Amino acid sequence: EAEVAQSPRYKITEKSQAVAFWCDPISGHATLYWYRQILGQGPELLVQFQDESVVDDSQLPKDRFSAERLKGVDSTLKIQPAELGDSAMYLCASSLTRPYEQYFGPGTRLTVT
Amino acid sequence: GENVEQHPSTLSVQEGDSAVIKCTYSDSASNYFPWYKQELGKRPQLIIDIRSNVGEKKDQRIAVTLNKTAKHFSLHITETQPEDSAVYFCAAGGGTSYGKLTFGQGTILTVHP
Repeated sequence: EAEVAQSPRYKITEKSQAVAFWCDPISGHATLYWYRQILGQGPELLVQFQDESVVDDSQLPKDRFSAERLKGVDSTLKIQPAELGDSAMYLCASSLTRPYEQYFGPGTRLTVT
Repeated sequence: GENVEQHPSTLSVQEGDSAVIKCTYSDSASNYFPWYKQELGKRPQLIIDIRSNVGEKKDQRIAVTLNKTAKHFSLHITETQPEDSAVYFCAAGGGTSYGKLTFGQGTILTVHP
């Protein structure tokens, strides 16, 4: 069964450093989502792509976060500079037809020290 | 924007009992309501979903009901088993352009043997 892949699984970084996460969606899924999940809370959408275009980034802190999906397949989420409050799980999901049946990757656990 | 409230935050049941988790949403345009199960340290997994043209959907021991008038939906798990222990998240969305999902805060379900 096809799954969403993410790397790295864990990342520890110091405050003010840059960090990047990678996501490879299920083949053929045109819609890709990046979520942030703080411990004890539900996932919160950061950015949504339709193919290579951003269609919703209303909750993305654009002064420090950026996301791209250059060829409409895999995607990268970057934080620069990282802050202590960015410590969270970053989840990637994809779906064939938005917003139905979103499948999540294993996530990247980010710790900022 | 959409706001999803989920109750209870924790639920403890004996094996074989039923468990019910309830969610309310605010945006009457929402038309898609999935439920995710997240075990400790693992990715959220879609377990069942319902669309607004349906009032109830069942899959073995799991069922979801939707009341669009009252803007609430519920997850019902019958004959609970210890392996049902996890965090359950509801979500609502699909009504606005690009179909953003908003998640509830989660319910920690513990099934005691």
